[in-house]
Amino acid sequence: EDQVTQSPEALRLQEGESSSLNCSYTVSGLRGLFWYRQDPGKGPEFLFTLYSAGEEKEKERLKATLTKKESFLHITAPKPEDSATYLCAVQGEGGSYIPTFGRGTSLIVHP
Amino acid sequence: GAVVSQHPSWVICKSGTSVKIECRSLDFQATTMFWYRQFPKQSLMLMATSNEGSKATYEQGVEKDKFLINHASLTLSTLTVTSAHPEDSSFYICSAPIIQETQYFGPGTRLLVL
Repeated sequence: EDQVTQSPEALRLQEGESSSLNCSYTVSGLRGLFWYRQDPGKGPEFLFTLYSAGEEKEKERLKATLTKKESFLHITAPKPEDSATYLCAVQGEGGSYIPTFGRGTSLIVHP
Repeated sequence: GAVVSQHPSWVICKSGTSVKIECRSLDFQATTMFWYRQFPKQSLMLMATSNEGSKATYEQGVEKDKFLINHASLTLSTLTVTSAHPEDSSFYICSAPIIQETQYFGPGTRLLVL
């Protein structure tokens, strides 16, 4: 059974204070690891898909990295508008497209 | 822009009534769509997989007679909450895979049952 654990559950940062969110996973053959951003009252917004260990992807102040056991979402010099819940999900090499989601990390960036 | 839409974005209904939520894929065909439920400060809970032209696949513990799913076309899946009760109040979100395995989510529908 695929499992995803995200840490920390909540994170408070000052504007400009860089940090990282962790996503640890176990899966029988990784098809893809996904990061989403979710704002209150809205559906998750796609950020990145990572497919193999060593892969990195960037978007503005966000950078996602992947190893065989975990993924990190690095946030460089965050701004208050980066405040959201960040969800991690994995998809194994089973036959369906059903991802397994973690519980998310709630990020608050104070001005 | 948005690639998956949902309608309505929010709905309030009386206990015992049925509510239909639509999920549409925009500019692409989706033979499979997924329906999730999310409680406050909780992660996404998969309810069912909607398959175009065939029966939906429900997750364990989800009542198929209560949550009716119809995927009548390649761009539309509907979730009907039948005989809704206050405990059905939640945030319902659909998704569809587009690029390879990546899921794109709709904006969600907030349901409040009085």
